[in-house]
Amino acid sequence: ETGVTQSPTHLIKTRGQQVTLRCSSQSGHNTVSWYQQALGQGPQFIFQYYREEENGRGNFPPRFSGLQFPNYSSELNVNALELDDSALYLCASSLSPGGSETQYFGPGTRLLVL
Amino acid sequence: TQLLEQSPQFLSIQEGENLTVYCNSSSVFSSLQWYRQEPGEGPVLLVTVVTGGEVKKLKRLTFQFGDARKDSSLHITAAQPGDTGLYLCAGEPAYGGATNKLIFGTGTLLAVQP
Repeated sequence: ETGVTQSPTHLIKTRGQQVTLRCSSQSGHNTVSWYQQALGQGPQFIFQYYREEENGRGNFPPRFSGLQFPNYSSELNVNALELDDSALYLCASSLSPGGSETQYFGPGTRLLVL
Repeated sequence: TQLLEQSPQFLSIQEGENLTVYCNSSSVFSSLQWYRQEPGEGPVLLVTVVTGGEVKKLKRLTFQFGDARKDSSLHITAAQPGDTGLYLCAGEPAYGGATNKLIFGTGTLLAVQP
């Protein structure tokens, strides 16, 4: 059974640029959630995708957007990057939506915005 | 705004000592989870508690969910260097939001010295 994978592992961008992060969910999981984790803090919920539709969103501006594909893999897109967007971006997959459902996290993509 | 405050923020102890990490909120949660995160990796689920007053044991780790489902604690007995990591509590809000949103605590960084 393949776990959750994310790409790339590290990324450096400059202010104003756009970035796309990718996540492959664990086999059999139809739900992917994205989180932003600043250094030394807990992850913050960005949004969740369930069966290719957005299924809940945290307190992030519209320049954070996402997609989920028929194979349940997912992308996180961030436009007009700001310095504060520098963080570890985690995706987690689960068998179904719901906060109590066990979420399996990938290793994350570390984004640095200069 | 649902918020989970963890204390202490940092903890450095010697191998063999006991410790307790607290996770507190003014909000009620349907369920609460504890994760451990090691450098360069995503959080890994340790336990989920769903009933007020519930106590779960996982080897040397004891987890408790408060009677009012607003707080939780993690107690580690005879800590070992392998317990080193960032401990995160995370809860599913019981009211006032999408039930698929997981709120993470602020984190407790534990270092166990040999």
